[in-house]
Amino acid sequence: EAGVVQSPRYKIIEKKQPVAFWCNPISGHNTLYWYRQNLGQGPELLIRYENEEAVDDSQLPKDRFSAERLKGVDSTLKIQPAELGDSAVYLCASSFGGLAGTQETQYFGPGTRLLVL
Amino acid sequence: GNSVTQMEGPVTLSEEAFLTINCTYTATGYPSLFWYVQYPGEGLQLLLKATKADDKGSNKGFEATYRKETTSFHLEKGSVQVSDSAVYFCALSVNGNQFYFGTGTSLTVIP
Repeated sequence: EAGVVQSPRYKIIEKKQPVAFWCNPISGHNTLYWYRQNLGQGPELLIRYENEEAVDDSQLPKDRFSAERLKGVDSTLKIQPAELGDSAVYLCASSFGGLAGTQETQYFGPGTRLLVL
Repeated sequence: GNSVTQMEGPVTLSEEAFLTINCTYTATGYPSLFWYVQYPGEGLQLLLKATKADDKGSNKGFEATYRKETTSFHLEKGSVQVSDSAVYFCALSVNGNQFYFGTGTSLTVIP
């Protein structure tokens, strides 16, 4: 079974340019997460989708970040315009949301390493 | 609130040494606890998990026991190998879909 797929793996852009990341979750996983991981830190949630609905975007900097998951499968995260401080690894993860109250395991993609110059 | 605190690294051990990486948590409700491992250049991989108090998660020689009385989930391995060199993240989950990660502990095992 294929894991979580992300592209590109690496991206170098100049500040003020736009950038987009793509994620395809594990087949059948209805919950999708985007995280940002700064160097030497743990992942921090940006947005969580249940199917096509964004149910937690409280940590997403909405002035420059946007995300979509139109058909409830793959997802795109966009930054426009990028700033120097956006340099980080952007991780996508997915899980199968089972019964309410059950604890589900997340599966992570390899991440996109972004460098803003 | 919900948070995870894990021991700071980096940790350097000789091959076959005993490993302990401490992790404590605060949580509302009854969280599940996880250890993830991140090898260089790769994404996070689930190493083990425990879903209720006194459960022991284990995988690849690693173990961690969910201790509710001490709010801890320390990671242990009796004999580390060079291939265990990676960054280890402790995490908790509440409500099945909200995850909180520690800052990670870098482990280097030298031959």
